[in-house]
Amino acid sequence: GENVEQHPSTLSVQEGDSAVIKCTYSDSASNYFPWYKQELGKGPQLIIDIRSNVGEKKDQRIAVTLNKTAKHFSLHITETQPEDSAVYFCAATSNFGNEKLTFGTGTRLTIIP
Amino acid sequence: DAGITQSPRHKVTETGTPVTLRCHQTENHRYMYWYRQDPGHGLRLIHYSYGVKDTDKGEVSDGYSVSRSKTEDFLLTLESATSSQTSVYFCATTPTGLDYGYTFGSGTRLTVV
Repeated sequence: GENVEQHPSTLSVQEGDSAVIKCTYSDSASNYFPWYKQELGKGPQLIIDIRSNVGEKKDQRIAVTLNKTAKHFSLHITETQPEDSAVYFCAATSNFGNEKLTFGTGTRLTIIP
Repeated sequence: DAGITQSPRHKVTETGTPVTLRCHQTENHRYMYWYRQDPGHGLRLIHYSYGVKDTDKGEVSDGYSVSRSKTEDFLLTLESATSSQTSVYFCATTPTGLDYGYTFGSGTRLTVV
């Protein structure tokens, strides 16, 4: 099945700096790559997603890039703020069908004031 | 998310007892999923449903069963709970596929002693 690897597992950045989280996937047929943010005690929330026919997508301070050839995608957060502190998960569609996601193991992002 | 309710939110049970977790949605979404979240493993798919009475296994289905008799309810049953099933369980839904991403519930923390 699909395998998604996510790095780093923990990341600390100064407030105002940028943060980058990287994921690789194994199934070249995967075509949908969402990112989720999970705050303490809550369920994950979709923050941005990208499809395989697009190389980059931006939404205010958040951007995602996709390299299909290398099978990796990244989340970029600019001008980080304390409220960006959370656990972030990447995901990719599995090779069993486009309605099931395989998740990475998560990155705990801490913004240092 | 207000449209997805998981119950109970917390449960402690003894090894060998049956346990049922409930996911209730008011969104009329076709697809429903059960994931478990464990440190170092991210979110792993247990079972999913693509319609009433239509279910299938995920990557970690051993020891779990599911049922979906109505669009709005998706039940996860641990027939005989084991300590390895201590985890946080999340339900997720999506309308007609991944065009809209997943919406997650707030989770159920299950402890098997």
